[in-house]
Amino acid sequence: SYVLTQPPSVSVAPGETARITCGGNNIGSKSVHWYQQKPGQAPVLVIYYDSDRPSGIPERFSGSNSGNTATLTISRVEAGDEAGYYCQVWEDRSSDLWVFGGGTKLTVL
Amino acid sequence: EVQLLESGGGLVQPGGSLRLSCAASGFTFNNYAMSWVRQAPGKGLEWVSFISGSGRPTYYADSVKGRFTLSRDNSKKTLYLQMNSLRAEDTAVYYCAKGWEEMATISRVFDIWGQGTMVTVFS
Repeated sequence: SYVLTQPPSVSVAPGETARITCGGNNIGSKSVHWYQQKPGQAPVLVIYYDSDRPSGIPERFSGSNSGNTATLTISRVEAGDEAGYYCQVWEDRSSDLWVFGGGTKLTVL
Repeated sequence: EVQLLESGGGLVQPGGSLRLSCAASGFTFNNYAMSWVRQAPGKGLEWVSFISGSGRPTYYADSVKGRFTLSRDNSKKTLYLQMNSLRAEDTAVYYCAKGWEEMATISRVFDIWGQGTMVTVFS
């Protein structure tokens, strides 16, 4: 089955830029979606189809996807951005059609 | 406002059964595919099952195939997950999630999630 690899943790100081990667074989040929999950809460979609933002998500959140790596970028990081972040793709050649990465814990120093 | 409200979680012994429900409001339920996604304690997200707006097709993760059955009652705007032959590894918070694409047979992204219901399988 298709595997998505994320770093377990990323740390960044307030006001800096956080980049969270999601690796997968030729992931650039797929559409990648990103979810934010704060402790005790349900996931929230923050980026869909590689780089689109749902209404209500700040412009500080952006996404890109090329080659074997997709990236979620959070500019001007705030304390409230501290959360887990998960990438996800739909892979019709996998037995499990909807695949999530293992998640990355973003810590704001 | 679009809302999803799960119910039906609880404690069950291995081999037992539970039925989860997800009540939807704020959108045209039958126009959207729905899924269940679970999260074991301290772990990541795992997709469990999918159903189109019409009720067919349905898809299941290998880990639950043959044990779980997903259905929907569009007249009641409710999604159901029948879970049989439960195992300890099924212990998780179960979220129902709405597909983003309207009138699509397959929805690739989940735009709205419920708050989840906890299922604990213990011996």
